[in-house]
Amino acid sequence: QQQVKQSPQSLIVQKGGISIINCAYENTAFDYFPWYQQFPGKGPALLIAIRPDVSEKKEGRFTISFNKSAKQFSLHIMDSQPGDSATYFCAASIDSGYALNFGKGTSLLVTP
Amino acid sequence: GAVVSQHPSWVICKSGTSVKIECRSLDFQATTMFWYRQFPKQSLMLMATSNEGSKATYEQGVEKDKFLINHASLTLSTLTVTSAHPEDSSFYICSARGTGGPNYSGNTIYFGEGSWLTVV
Repeated sequence: QQQVKQSPQSLIVQKGGISIINCAYENTAFDYFPWYQQFPGKGPALLIAIRPDVSEKKEGRFTISFNKSAKQFSLHIMDSQPGDSATYFCAASIDSGYALNFGKGTSLLVTP
Repeated sequence: GAVVSQHPSWVICKSGTSVKIECRSLDFQATTMFWYRQFPKQSLMLMATSNEGSKATYEQGVEKDKFLINHASLTLSTLTVTSAHPEDSSFYICSARGTGGPNYSGNTIYFGEGSWLTVV
C-alpha cells in the first residue's frame, strides 16, 4: 500500500522554467517530509526536508510548500536547469530518523 | 554530509549462489540501518530495518531467510542474498542514521550509492 502518492510520473520543463511535483499522504502521524534526488545508477540524495510546523521552506532554487490540512506537500524547482534532470522522490516518516515511505517518483527532464 | 558507502557497486552471480553486500558508515556511528530494493524506474521499497546488535525487522513479504541482514557493529551492516535467482536482480540501497562524527546532522538518514545485483 503506497502511503505517499506522488504526481506527475514524468515532467518535461524548459530551461529556466519552474518544475512542480506534488505529493499527498494519509497518515497524520507523519511529521517529516523530505525530497530526494536520484540520478541513474546512484543512490538518492537528500535535497530538502520540511516539518509540519512550517508551511514553506526554501533552499536555493528548491522550495517545499506544505499544506497540513490538505495533507499535501510539493517541491518547486525554480529556474530549472538541464543538470536538474533526474528522478525526484518525496517521502514521509514519523520522525526524521525512522524508515521513509517513498512516493513512486517523478522523472524530470529539463530541456535546453 | 555524512558518508555511507556500499560495496560492491555491482555484482554478477550465478543462480543458486549467495552474494553479500556491505554497507558502511564512514564517519559516524550508524545505530540504525535500512535496506531498500529498487527495480528499474520504480520507487524504493523498504526491505528491513536493523538496529546495531539486534535482529533485523523485515517488512511484510520480504523473506528473512533469503535476505539475511547482519548489523554487528556501529559502522557495518551486511545484506546476504541467499540462493539468488534471476528475479532477485535489482538495485539494493542501504541508508543509515545514528550519532557522532563531524559531518553527521542530527537524526538525518544518509543513503549509500547502491549496489546493482544481476543474477544469471
